[in-house]
Amino acid sequence: AIQMTQSPSSLSASVGDRVTITCRASQGIRSDLGWYQQKPGKAPKLLIYAASSLQSGVPSRFSGSGSGTYFTLTISSLQPEDFATYYCLQDYNYPRTFGQGTKVEIK
Amino acid sequence: EVQLVESGGGLVQPGGSLRLSCAASGFAFSSYYMNWVRQAPGKGLEWVSSISSSDTTIYYADSVKGRFTISRDNAKNSLSLQMKSLRDEDTAVYYCAAGRLLPAFWGQGTLVTVSS
Repeated sequence: AIQMTQSPSSLSASVGDRVTITCRASQGIRSDLGWYQQKPGKAPKLLIYAASSLQSGVPSRFSGSGSGTYFTLTISSLQPEDFATYYCLQDYNYPRTFGQGTKVEIK
Repeated sequence: EVQLVESGGGLVQPGGSLRLSCAASGFAFSSYYMNWVRQAPGKGLEWVSSISSSDTTIYYADSVKGRFTISRDNAKNSLSLQMKSLRDEDTAVYYCAAGRLLPAFWGQGTLVTVSS
């Protein structure tokens, strides 16, 4: 199974900060990766698919990049509603595998 | 409006069985891959199983293979997960999720607690 390693596992940031989360795959997965946001007690929400495509309705401050084994999710200007946990998910093959998550907290 | 509504969760003893259901509406259910994803209390997301739009291809995580069975009824816009030989480590919120590749639409989840 492909291992997805996210970093950091948590971070503290202020409103307005630029935040970057990384996800590394244990083998090349082309651009077959998505990013999800999850708030406590809620279902995950798809933000980015195909590594860099913005899901409909998602604010443009969210962006994704990368291919192969290295991927990033960037929030250009952190907003109060962005404090949540973020996960990457590879859809290159089965079994699907998630990163372990990055919790973004208020500084 | 897209809706996925899970049901069937509850408390079950180790070794027991449970059947989860997911009712879908607001999208072309028969055109989408369907998935089950779970989340143990305080933990991250874990993919459990996927089934293709026409029911021809099915995948399972190693942790549930041989114990869980995914199925769908395109005529009824419904997805099921039959769970047998349940273990303590199967305790989690189980989400039903739909997508053409990545799961894009998610239900609110149903809690399964395996405990004696």
